[in-house]
Amino acid sequence: GAVVSQHPSWVICKSGTSVKIECRSLDFQATTMFWYRQFPKQSLMLMATSNEGSKATYEQGVEKDKFLINHASLTLSTLTVTSAHPEDSSFYICSAREGILYYEQYFGPGTRLTVT
Amino acid sequence: DAKTTQPPSMDCAEGRAANLPCNHSTISGNEYVYWYRQIHSQGPQYIIHGLKNNETNEMASLIITEDRKSSTLILPHATLRDTAVYYCMATYNFNKFYFGSGTKLNVKP
Repeated sequence: GAVVSQHPSWVICKSGTSVKIECRSLDFQATTMFWYRQFPKQSLMLMATSNEGSKATYEQGVEKDKFLINHASLTLSTLTVTSAHPEDSSFYICSAREGILYYEQYFGPGTRLTVT
Repeated sequence: DAKTTQPPSMDCAEGRAANLPCNHSTISGNEYVYWYRQIHSQGPQYIIHGLKNNETNEMASLIITEDRKSSTLILPHATLRDTAVYYCMATYNFNKFYFGSGTKLNVKP
């Protein structure tokens, strides 16, 4: 149980375009989902937290107009990188928590974004 | 969140126990200790968490010192597939997982 999927697993896009990454909880309802970014040889950095039906809460330094997060249902959250630039190239990972009584976060396999 | 300190890397022989230490000397009473691991180019995997008592599950054991200032993750019989970066975190806010630099565990045949 507790499986989180991401789509696509990798994507290449041109500078200036937008790209959407989906995160799904497959066998549980995720009241809260999280988005992380990981640059090569670095640790994961929390970008934002989203609750179903609410606006996402962004960490300091993360541009909310550039990284649009939508958590429209209890099983789906999307991250859209708008007007992507080469410095946005990174490994994007989502995670999900089942509910307020649950302590664990379950992570997706990640999406490798390359902006050319 | 309490700051955690881990050694950057450790080696372990296949089949032996891997003991990964974590220092969290500023941990507060309501902060849980979590362990996750990340195998290269994959999402992190939950291993175990605890508050005060030692914990064991099918993956590992977590030993927390009585003063809670440090903990040890034990993989009882390490395999090559356990080669990964292991992250220790201390938090009371389950919405705020801040990953440190972790310990790169190299399991060698």
